[in-house]
Amino acid sequence: DVKVTQSSRYLVKRTGEKVFLECVQDMDHENMFWYRQDPGLGLRLIYFSYDVKMKEKGDIPEGYSVSREKKERFSLILESASTNQTSMYLCASSLYAGGQGNGYTFGSGTRLTVV
Amino acid sequence: RKEVEQDPGPFNVPEGATVAFNCTYSNSASQSFFWYRQDCRKEPKLLMSVYSSGNEDGRFTAQLNRASQYISLLIRDSKLSDSATYLCVVTSGASSYKLIFGSGTRLLVRP
Repeated sequence: DVKVTQSSRYLVKRTGEKVFLECVQDMDHENMFWYRQDPGLGLRLIYFSYDVKMKEKGDIPEGYSVSREKKERFSLILESASTNQTSMYLCASSLYAGGQGNGYTFGSGTRLTVV
Repeated sequence: RKEVEQDPGPFNVPEGATVAFNCTYSNSASQSFFWYRQDCRKEPKLLMSVYSSGNEDGRFTAQLNRASQYISLLIRDSKLSDSATYLCVVTSGASSYKLIFGSGTRLLVRP
C-alpha cells in the first residue's frame, strides 16, 4: 500500500522554538505539498515542491521554510514557532501536480500545539 | 470571498436517503475539479474527479456547471459509513496546478 508518512502525530512546542516536521513518501512522486488545516478555513497551501531541491511558496508561506534534499522527503520548518501556528499540518504527494489520476495522497497529519 | 465555498452543514439524514452537496468556485479559469472525503481525525482522500460531462461512481454522482462555476455531489442510498466531511477541490487557475480546498460539508447518516 502506498504511503505518506509524517514523523509525528502530536507535537507540543514552546514559542520561539525551531520546529521540524518531516514527511516521507514511498511512491516515487515528484510532487510534494505541505498544507495546514484549521476549522472553518479548510486546507491552505504553505509550500510545495515539484522536484528535488525545488520549492515554491504557496498561499501562506510566512513563518515557514521547507527543504527537499531527496525525492522522497519533504520537510517543513517553523523558524520560530508562534501560537498562531498551532494547527493540523498535512503533507501530501502526487504523481500529477494538478491532482489528476489518483489525486493527492496525504499523510495522517501532525497536530502541532505551540504554547 | 473564498475561492471555494461550501455549506458547512451538518447534513443529518437517515440511512437510505439521497443527499446533495453543492460547491461554488470563484476562478473561472480553474480546469480540474474533485471531491475528497475526510473522516473525523483522518486525512483527506480522493473520492472522485469531476468531469464536464458529469460522472458516476456507484452511489456517487458528480456534476460540473462551468457557466455557473458550480460543482455538485449526489449520494444515493446513504450508508452509515458515508458519514464524513466532503471537500470540494479545484485547481487554482488555467496555468496553475495548485489545489484549492473548500472548508468541507459535514454529513451525518443516522440509523
